[in-house]
Amino acid sequence: GAGVSQSPSNKVTEKGKDVELRCDPISGHTALYWYRQSLGQGLEFLIYFQGNSAPDKSGLPSDRFSAERTGGSVSTLTIQRTQQEDSAVYLCASSLAPGISTDTQYFGPGTRLTVL
Amino acid sequence: QKEVEQDPGPLSVPEGAIVSLNCTYSNSAFQYFMWYRQYSRKGPELLMYTYSSGNKEDGRFTAQVDKSSKYISLFIRDSQPSDSATYLCAKEAFQGAQKLVFGQGTRLTINP
Repeated sequence: GAGVSQSPSNKVTEKGKDVELRCDPISGHTALYWYRQSLGQGLEFLIYFQGNSAPDKSGLPSDRFSAERTGGSVSTLTIQRTQQEDSAVYLCASSLAPGISTDTQYFGPGTRLTVL
Repeated sequence: QKEVEQDPGPLSVPEGAIVSLNCTYSNSAFQYFMWYRQYSRKGPELLMYTYSSGNKEDGRFTAQVDKSSKYISLFIRDSQPSDSATYLCAKEAFQGAQKLVFGQGTRLTINP
């Protein structure tokens, strides 16, 4: 079956512009996560959705970052007024059930964001 | 200090060698530890998870947790060129958390 998909796969933008990154989770997965992977930093948690609600958004680095999820499915991560330090790979993951951290998180291929 | 520390490598070994990948962590209150494998330009995929201390084996892969020393390890036996990837250790952020805390990842190359 289809895995987690993300679009675009690559995005190059100029400093100060807004960007939107999209994630399509695996059908039926209620939990959705966004992570950021920077060179030498590993994966950093950004936000977690259960359904359309975000019980944990503690990893969002600033108020320039926001995310939403609609219909319990697609999610978009928006970065306003992008800065060069926002350059990273943004990864989305989904899992079937909430409440269990060992429930396998399936990752998408990521969106590689470059801010010039 | 990061909550999960992992040597980024790179690590390069000949085909057939036994590979040992290691992480240390700073908070021993939580039980679940994971290893993810990430091929270039792909998302991470769960390789193994372990609960509490002890070993877990899956084919050529063995995951080991030593809670007394706050050390987690992944051993790969009879390494293959297809094992070349970045390996990330992770643990639950806190008990019952939905989020994972990851190590930096170790880039491994198996040379034919």
